[in-house]
Amino acid sequence: EVQLVESGGGLVQPGGSLRISCAASGFTFSKYWMHWLRQSPDQGLVWVSDIKGDGSNTHYADSVRGRFTVSRDNAKNTLYLQMNSLRVDDTAVYFCARSGAPYAVDVWGQGTTVTVSS
Amino acid sequence: QSALTQPPSVSGSPGQSVTISCTATSSDVGDYNRVCWYQQQSPGTAPKLLIYDVTIRPSGVPDRFSGSKSGNTASLTISGLQAEDEADYYCTSHTTYNTYFFGTGTKVTVL
Repeated sequence: EVQLVESGGGLVQPGGSLRISCAASGFTFSKYWMHWLRQSPDQGLVWVSDIKGDGSNTHYADSVRGRFTVSRDNAKNTLYLQMNSLRVDDTAVYFCARSGAPYAVDVWGQGTTVTVSS
Repeated sequence: QSALTQPPSVSGSPGQSVTISCTATSSDVGDYNRVCWYQQQSPGTAPKLLIYDVTIRPSGVPDRFSGSKSGNTASLTISGLQAEDEADYYCTSHTTYNTYFFGTGTKVTVL
């Protein structure tokens, strides 16, 4: 069964850092672009970042560029998102997702909640 | 202002057809041929891919769902509306900067 399981969410103060993870199983992880997306009541669904299968290419939304870093460990079938200089408006449910169709994501994790608050 | 504008809500009775529009207001979407549609049953839960590349349905998606495009407006049509189709629907587009825009979302209500 193809599965993505996020972990690492939690409560962090503004200006703080957090790393969230996504464990993949049931498919050849290294062959796929992977994405991070987030959803908050205020901003709806928002694309955050993506990374190529071999990790050689990454892209970021303007709102997180320079603060967030996406990476992956293909030996561990795991995707990461390092989030620094967190702001209150980064509060959201963060989803990892697989790009199994052209410019589309076909498998999503269940999400992990990140709350930025003092 | 979002780069992809959707109506906040649409509704229909069982068996009817409803159409959700997604209008691009930014030239960053390029030729607007990389449009996808997702269904989300409730906020905070994993969305489901319904359509990619404007018109293509992934395996397992009922043919009641269809996509189209005219100019800078893409559309999702649900034919033969069913109670289980009540959900939020989002369009997305890849951009010329290798990022993605999401639409503002549309709530479909089955009367």
